[in-house]
Amino acid sequence: KNQVEQSPQSLIILEGKNCTLQCNYTVSPFSNLRWYKQDTGRGPVSLTIMTFSENTKSNGRYTATLDADTKQSSLHITASQLSDSASYICVVSSGGSYIPTFGRGTSLIVHP
Amino acid sequence: DTEVTQTPKHLVMGMTNKKSLKCEQHMGHRAMYWYKQKAKKPPELMFVYSYEKLSINESVPSRFSPECPNSSLLNLHLHALQPEDSALYLCASSQDGGSKNIQYFGAGTRLSVL
Repeated sequence: KNQVEQSPQSLIILEGKNCTLQCNYTVSPFSNLRWYKQDTGRGPVSLTIMTFSENTKSNGRYTATLDADTKQSSLHITASQLSDSASYICVVSSGGSYIPTFGRGTSLIVHP
Repeated sequence: DTEVTQTPKHLVMGMTNKKSLKCEQHMGHRAMYWYKQKAKKPPELMFVYSYEKLSINESVPSRFSPECPNSSLLNLHLHALQPEDSALYLCASSQDGGSKNIQYFGAGTRLSVL
């Protein structure tokens, strides 16, 4: 069964600090992995998408890494801002499937 | 324009009402999706339309009825809903149904069933 596990479930950090969110998956065959940011009550917004051959991808202060061998991904947020407070969802797609597998998300709270 | 527009933003309905949720995109995407999301849970896929044809129905109760009038529009017709159907309903679109495509999500419709 395809699964995506995210950790931690929630995280509180001070403004300006860095943090790293983790995603482990057992989706097979692997096609791509996406990180989304979802503000409360809003739709998810795509941050990065990575395929099998990509190890790192950046989008501003967000940097995602992918280790396809260990089936792990991380999302690193640099110099956090109050607006980074949101849920971060890891989504993994299987080859040829419409149906991606969603992680349960990490809830990040950035305090001033 | 990378926007998926959903209306209404909020909807309160009784269990005997009939209402519709609307979704629109002008990115030329040929796949559109309906998701249901409960609080603190990931989105759950309900329906997928590919080239205006229903390709996936994830065992959704018949009180939810999707419709794709054209490639830019996706509706979700609601009838005789239950209180447990209260949730955030998300529409998404992608270039086509392939797994490599990024799904762009709308802001959602917050539905409350009384």
